[in-house]
Amino acid sequence: AQSVTQLGSHVSVSEGALVLLRCNYSSSVPPYLFWYVQYPNQGLQLLLKYTSAATLVKGINGFEAEFKKSETSFHLTKPSAHMSDAAEYFCAVSHSGYSTLTFGKGTMLLVSP
Amino acid sequence: GAVVSQHPSWVICKSGTSVKIECRSLDFQATTMFWYRQFPKQSLMLMATSNEGSKATYEQGVEKDKFLINHASLTLSTLTVTSAHPEDSSFYICSARDGEETQYFGPGTRLLVL
Repeated sequence: AQSVTQLGSHVSVSEGALVLLRCNYSSSVPPYLFWYVQYPNQGLQLLLKYTSAATLVKGINGFEAEFKKSETSFHLTKPSAHMSDAAEYFCAVSHSGYSTLTFGKGTMLLVSP
Repeated sequence: GAVVSQHPSWVICKSGTSVKIECRSLDFQATTMFWYRQFPKQSLMLMATSNEGSKATYEQGVEKDKFLINHASLTLSTLTVTSAHPEDSSFYICSARDGEETQYFGPGTRLLVL
């Protein structure tokens, strides 16, 4: 079985501040890991994915995430938050690219001016 | 690239009627599509996995006779909510998996059953 834990249902940062969204996973096999962003009343957009290649993964909109096997973590970061980053972020895990995704409960990122 | 569309984006219907939602991969072929349901302020719950040309695989607790899924081509999957009731009101999101093992999501369909 696989699972995802996202610490913090809400994270608030000021514009220009560092963004850190936490994700820990549980998987019995080497995982594939994903971060998706969801804006209100919209579907999910892929930010980045880890598929057993480089442990530091760069995504769109300046986001990146680092796979740390020893910590079973895949935290999402961005050096400087923009107002447009305010959205809900979901971490997801799968056994392989051909298996189903298991999502975390999501973290709402709030960005204040 | 990797665009997935859904139609309609929202629908209001009377209790007891059926509603069909379409999911299309616009610029790639998807042998596998997925249907999710999302309740307000909650995560996505996988309802079923749809494979082109075969029967869908439903998750535990999802009524296959209520949520009919058809995946007739490599770019189209449909979800039909039969005899809809108010408790079926939700946000339904589909995704399509490309050849590089990544799921791309549609914009969602909001269903309100009166």
